[in-house]
Amino acid sequence: DTGVSQDPRHKITKRGQNVTFRCDPISEHNRLYWYRQTLGQGPEFLTYFQNEAQLEKSRLLSDRFSAERPKGSFSTLEIQRTEQGDSAMYLCASSERPGATSGANVLTFGAGSRLTVL
Amino acid sequence: KNEVEQSPQNLTAQEGEFITINCSYSVGISALHWLQQHPGGGIVSLFMLSSGKKKHGRLIATINIQEKHSSLHITASHPRDSAVYICAVQANSKLTFGKGITLSVRP
Repeated sequence: DTGVSQDPRHKITKRGQNVTFRCDPISEHNRLYWYRQTLGQGPEFLTYFQNEAQLEKSRLLSDRFSAERPKGSFSTLEIQRTEQGDSAMYLCASSERPGATSGANVLTFGAGSRLTVL
Repeated sequence: KNEVEQSPQNLTAQEGEFITINCSYSVGISALHWLQQHPGGGIVSLFMLSSGKKKHGRLIATINIQEKHSSLHITASHPRDSAVYICAVQANSKLTFGKGITLSVRP
């Protein structure tokens, strides 16, 4: 499978617990994005990385959220002390940098990790 | 006012009909994306365009940068086209998404 992989696909947790999601992007893609999507809404930007550098974080990303991409390959998104309002689909996407040889800069999305906080 | 507005909100069509979905935006952009999302979450990129028109199979996407407007057309619609269609605008490396249009194509 050469697409974007996300794990786990579903997570049910109790309020106050910590959860971690993992995203494995397409190997030659150096940009990686995290989005959050709630029912009936379009995805909302959370953060993105170029290689291992986290270049932008949304104001939606409270102190309880942290994302890393330590070696510029896979990324993790951790939510500490989960709240019911964190229940959502967490989507990861990757792309080449603008100006890359393919010229596409097209995003490839993973299937998402659905979080339910009880 | 949202930065990205899509219309109509929901759309039901009969198989074979020509379908148009619209997207208007209010910010300067470097590109606009049309995405398709099926139940269960998977999002597929249909088009990325910064000017003019692109065609892929029965899908056509157009953009008018001056008017800050884009359209996605589906010709000879089919029930398998039923999905949520999302418009997203790109400024630098950040994407801002519309809420999406739910399209249902009846056989």
